[in-house]
Amino acid sequence: QKEVEQDPGPLSVPEGAIVSLNCTYSNSAFQYFMWYRQYSRKGPELLMYTYSSGNKEDGRFTAQVDKSSKYISLFIRDSQPSDSATYLCAMSAVGGADGLTFGKGTHLIIQP
Amino acid sequence: SQTIHQWPATLVQPVGSPLSLECTVEGTSNPNLYWYRQAAGRGLQLLFYSVGIGQISSEVPQNLSASRPQDRQFILSSKKLLLSDSGFYLCAWSPWTATATNEKLFFGSGTQLSVL
Repeated sequence: QKEVEQDPGPLSVPEGAIVSLNCTYSNSAFQYFMWYRQYSRKGPELLMYTYSSGNKEDGRFTAQVDKSSKYISLFIRDSQPSDSATYLCAMSAVGGADGLTFGKGTHLIIQP
Repeated sequence: SQTIHQWPATLVQPVGSPLSLECTVEGTSNPNLYWYRQAAGRGLQLLFYSVGIGQISSEVPQNLSASRPQDRQFILSSKKLLLSDSGFYLCAWSPWTATATNEKLFFGSGTQLSVL
């Protein structure tokens, strides 16, 4: 079983829809959870950073962490064509020496 | 504000040739520095990280090496490239910690390397 599972997509939705992106993980030691957005042939850009369980909102983006289910989500409200990108989840353990563990990314397409 | 510079953006090299990719960070001191490789369908793979000048930790055995000659400079090298070295190489930095742990990573724009 891989440490972090993420559906590669592509996920195609119409403009204005609510988008839900998800990752599951197996390592119960993970405490820090991040979402990165990556446009084609560019470096990933940090979108959301959360610690432990709960929700965090930033504009149109909401990150949710459910540690009991080992499941994290990123919601995008009022999706725009400019949101079309690959979204990578990442996570790490407290004091872990292995850096971040990334999902493989979900390719999202917002149709105008 | 902090910025990270990575070059070149695209590189085509023959098999067996050497490689040198450079990354520099501005606006911060003593950052942790990282080299990642991203291959299609395989996600981001951590290659090297550094918590200080001359301190390099290797995560994956390969024919690549890394060096940190200055506080904010990180170099990825190879003496002889293999076909399997093709990929998208990303440099990243994070605020200093003793190990490459849980800090937020800030990535450069990447280098697309094609080995032919």
